[in-house]
Formats: sequence, structure tokens, C-alpha cells
Amino acid sequence: GNSVTQMEGPVTLSEEAFLTINCTYTATGYPSLFWYVQYPGEGLQLLLKATKADDKGSNKGFEATYRKETTSFHLEKGSVQVSDSAVYFCALKIQGAQKLVFGQGTRLTINP
Amino acid sequence: GAGVSQSPRYKVAKRGQDVALRCDPISGHVSLFWYQQALGQGPEFLTYFQNEAQLDKSGLPSDRFFAERPEGSVSTLKIQRTQQEDSAVYLCASSPPGTGIYNEQFFGPGTRLTVL
Repeated sequence: GNSVTQMEGPVTLSEEAFLTINCTYTATGYPSLFWYVQYPGEGLQLLLKATKADDKGSNKGFEATYRKETTSFHLEKGSVQVSDSAVYFCALKIQGAQKLVFGQGTRLTINP
Repeated sequence: GAGVSQSPRYKVAKRGQDVALRCDPISGHVSLFWYQQALGQGPEFLTYFQNEAQLDKSGLPSDRFFAERPEGSVSTLKIQRTQQEDSAVYLCASSPPGTGIYNEQFFGPGTRLTVL
């Protein structure tokens, strides 16, 4: 089946620290990969995406590279801010399907 | 423009009651999705509409769950004879016309259902 596994949370960092949130996937077909973010009190928002191997998605200083050989899509940011505190979800969508398959989410807290 | 809206935002039901959750998608969006998000978990797919046609309902957990979108716009998710395990946040998402695999889904704020 299709599934996504994220690193366990919660993750707590200090402002300006380097962030990595690990995400690996299992897919029966060729997936597109996504990171969604849920800020407190708000709905899920698309953060970035990648549609084929070696693509790098980027947005708001966050980056993730589609690694087919390791079936991974790790989220990174060089210097986090307090405003990055949120829950982050890795997700995939198989070609030909419409639904998203999500990981369990990683809660990130950034302290000033 | 307005995003996806859902109502009510919070619903408390007694076990055995029926509930109806409403989703207003972004105007012009053809596709509409329902997801269920249990506490501390990621969203799980329930069902998908393209216009008024329900093309995939493989994620509905039981026949107590029913979704409709009669005019291809507003959708209602109905849960009959609610059980405690139905307690979750129900998310609605819509996406614009087009068949691109990376067609973005825009999510509403969700309805938090608590079954006592």
C-alpha cells in the first residue's frame, strides 16, 4: 500500500537553529510529494511540493528534495523563526489518484 | 476571495445521534474531498467528488457515513448513530479544474466532532 512515515515529534528548537524533519514513503506507483503546514487555529496549507525524482521544492526558506533512491522527502530550513511553530505533514499522491496520503504530523515549537 | 468554509466549527453529539457537517468549497472548484483527522494523527481520506459525482468513497469507515454534493458545490457529510470512535476533526478540501497530479488541494478549517 501507500504510506508516509514522519519523524516523531514534538520537536523543540531555539530561534535560528537548523531544522530537519524526516519523511519517508512507500508507494505502489510513482508519487508526487508534498509538505503541508498547519499553523495554530488555521487550516492545512501547502508549503511545498515536488513531482519527480531529484526535484527540490522550496518556499518560505523551507526546502525538500525528492530522493527516489532512499524514498525520502526530508524538510529542512537553515534558520527557524518563532513564527514557524506549527504542525508539519508530509504527504504523497499517486499518479492517477486524487487523494492525498498523509503522515502522522510533526509538531514543531520554536522558542525565542 | 473566500477560502473553503466549514460549519459548524465545533459539534458535540451524544452517542447515537445523527450529525451533518457542511462544506462550502472555493467557487469554481470542481473537486471536493473529505478527510478525517483523529487527535495526534494525519488526515485520512474519506471520499472524493468531481462536481456532483462521488467518484471515490473507499475511505468511508462504515455505512453510517454518507456524503453528498447534489449540485456540485456545497457538500454535506452525514454520520448516523454516532459512536465515540467518530470523534475527530473532519476536513474538507477543494481543488480547481484540471487533472494535473499536483493540482493543489485547499483545505478548510475543519469541524471538530466530539461524541460523548
